[in-house]
Amino acid sequence: AQSVTQLDSHVSVSEGTPVLLRCNYSSSYSPSLFWYVQHPNKGLQLLLKYTSAATLVKGINGFEAEFKKSETSFHLTKPSAHMSDAAEYFCVVSDSRGYNKLIFGAGTRLAVHP
Amino acid sequence: EAGVAQSPRYKIIEKRQSVAFWCNPISGHATLYWYQQILGQGPKLLIQFQNNGVVDDSQLPKDRFSAERLKGVDSTLKIQPAKLEDSAVYLCASSLNPGRDQETQYFGPGTRLLVL
Repeated sequence: AQSVTQLDSHVSVSEGTPVLLRCNYSSSYSPSLFWYVQHPNKGLQLLLKYTSAATLVKGINGFEAEFKKSETSFHLTKPSAHMSDAAEYFCVVSDSRGYNKLIFGAGTRLAVHP
Repeated sequence: EAGVAQSPRYKIIEKRQSVAFWCNPISGHATLYWYQQILGQGPKLLIQFQNNGVVDDSQLPKDRFSAERLKGVDSTLKIQPAKLEDSAVYLCASSLNPGRDQETQYFGPGTRLLVL
């Protein structure tokens, strides 16, 4: 069975400092991995996805993630946090049996302080 | 391009009552998904339609939940009777191509349900 574990339920950073949101996955097959962001009272938005091409994936709003098979990790990073980055972030793995079933982690709430 | 539409945005009911949620996916998207997001958790897939057929409903509590997608476009999710633990946000999503892995899913704003 596939699963994802987000290692931090809450992360707090100061504006202008780096962001690191950690995610480990478990998969019997070559996984497809995603990061989604959820702002309050808004729908989930795709930040980036890994689909077995380049291991370093660049997404929207300056975010990127690196797929490390040896560590079964897919951590999300951003060099400099902005106030508008405050939101809930979900690491997601796609069920490789097909039909595009997404399995979500529990989420990490990112707070950005001035 | 219009996104995924859902209504209502909020609903408060008493336990044992029934409730229905509506979703209109992005035009031309073949696949439609309903997720349940309980407070403090990630979304969980309830049911997935490919056109108007069900491809996965393994986590749908079929004794009280039902869903349909007539004509392969919009969809309705119903709960009857509701329980306290059904309080959650119900998210609808759609994707363009049926059954393809790695396909981006586009999410609606969700319906927040509170069962008292």
